[in-house]
Parts: sequence; structure tokens; C-alpha cells
Amino acid sequence: AAGVIQSPRHLIKEKRETATLKCYPIPRHDTVYWYQQGPGQDPQFLISFYEKMQSDKGSIPDRFSAQQFSDYHSELNMSSLELGDSALYFCASSPGGGTPGQETQYFGPGTRLLVL
Amino acid sequence: AQKVTQAQTEISVVEKEDVTLDCVYETRDTTYYLFWYKQPPSGELVFLIRRNSFDEQNEISGRYSWNFQKSTSSFNFTITASQVVDSAVYFCALSGGGSNYKLTFGKGTLLTVNP
Repeated sequence: AAGVIQSPRHLIKEKRETATLKCYPIPRHDTVYWYQQGPGQDPQFLISFYEKMQSDKGSIPDRFSAQQFSDYHSELNMSSLELGDSALYFCASSPGGGTPGQETQYFGPGTRLLVL
Repeated sequence: AQKVTQAQTEISVVEKEDVTLDCVYETRDTTYYLFWYKQPPSGELVFLIRRNSFDEQNEISGRYSWNFQKSTSSFNFTITASQVVDSAVYFCALSGGGSNYKLTFGKGTLLTVNP
């Protein structure tokens, strides 16, 4: 079965640079979530989208922005990167809009970002 | 606010032993969902099981079973006859009802299964 695709899988950036992470949800899933997992930490919710609209927002820095496109893929844009942004970034998808199973999120493999 | 507590930070067992991972949660929602995810050393998060707050029936799926007790706000997960491949960090997670399903995770339990 098709899974969530994230690209790139690994990314190395310098401080103050920008980064764009991409997420392609499971086919027919219209809801996307982004999470950040620091080293040795649990994943923290950043932001979510349903039908291309932002549906919820968590502890996402103002330097980060995200959107969901017409084909339901999503991009997380990160600017003015800081050392503390080094983390594993997960995208998850679920069916939305009253579809059975909408509560269950399926995660992609993650993008490991290292800021030097 | 929602909160998930996994009191066990690390557990070490020998292969074929049964192991239970504990999870206690707090929520004000009347409808909520509980999950267990597995994160092996490779880093991905793998969905294992989901339980709805309105269904307290406990189930067994292969070597996995879970015990959901609303009265004690606990959602424990048991692996029977553990295998080395079960070695991973296990996260218990909670989401609310309505249209907001963002997950709140516990700190995770590192399970090491030794041969």
C-alpha cells in the first residue's frame, strides 16, 4: 500500500538559511499534519491542513510557514534557521471529512534536518 | 489540556518474555482516541493500534494486546513473546474528538529485547 512520502530525507543547512520540506499524503487522504521531534524527545504538533485550509496550529515558530496545495501535498517552509531547529520533521496524513478512520494518522519516514 | 504520561522510560527484557508498556492520560474531552506508535532505530513512526473512548473492549491482535480502562485513565499495551525486532521506542498518544485530531504524545518508552 502507498505510504506518506517526504522529501528530502536528510537536509543540512547553515544558520540563517531557509529550508523547504515536502510531504505527499497517502492517496485520497485530504488531511496533513506536521510534527517536530527533537533528539530524544516526543513528536510535537506544528500545524495541520484539511482540504487545503489550515485546520489547527500548534507550537510552530513564526519563522515557519506551511501550506497545502490543490493536489493535497504540503510544504513546510522554514526561514532564518537556528541551531535549535535541528530535528526530525514528520508529516502524517489521514482521511478527513467524516471518513471512517479519520482519527488515525499515518506518518511518513521523516526529514532529518541538521542546522550547522 | 491533554496530557499523556509514560512512567517507564526504559524497559529491558529477554526474548520470549511478555512485556507491558504503561500509559496514563488526561483529557477533558468526552470523546477521544488513544494510540500506540512504534519508532524503531531507523526513525519512522509506525501506527500500531487505536482505541476509541466509547469502546472499552480490550482486544488481542497477534502478539499485541491492549487494556483500556477509562476508570483509571489507562491504556496499557502488551507484547507477548517479545522478539528482538520489537526493540524500539513506543509512544502512547491521545487525540480529541470533534474536528481536531492532533496528537499529544507521551515521552516514550525505550524497549530493548535481548536475545
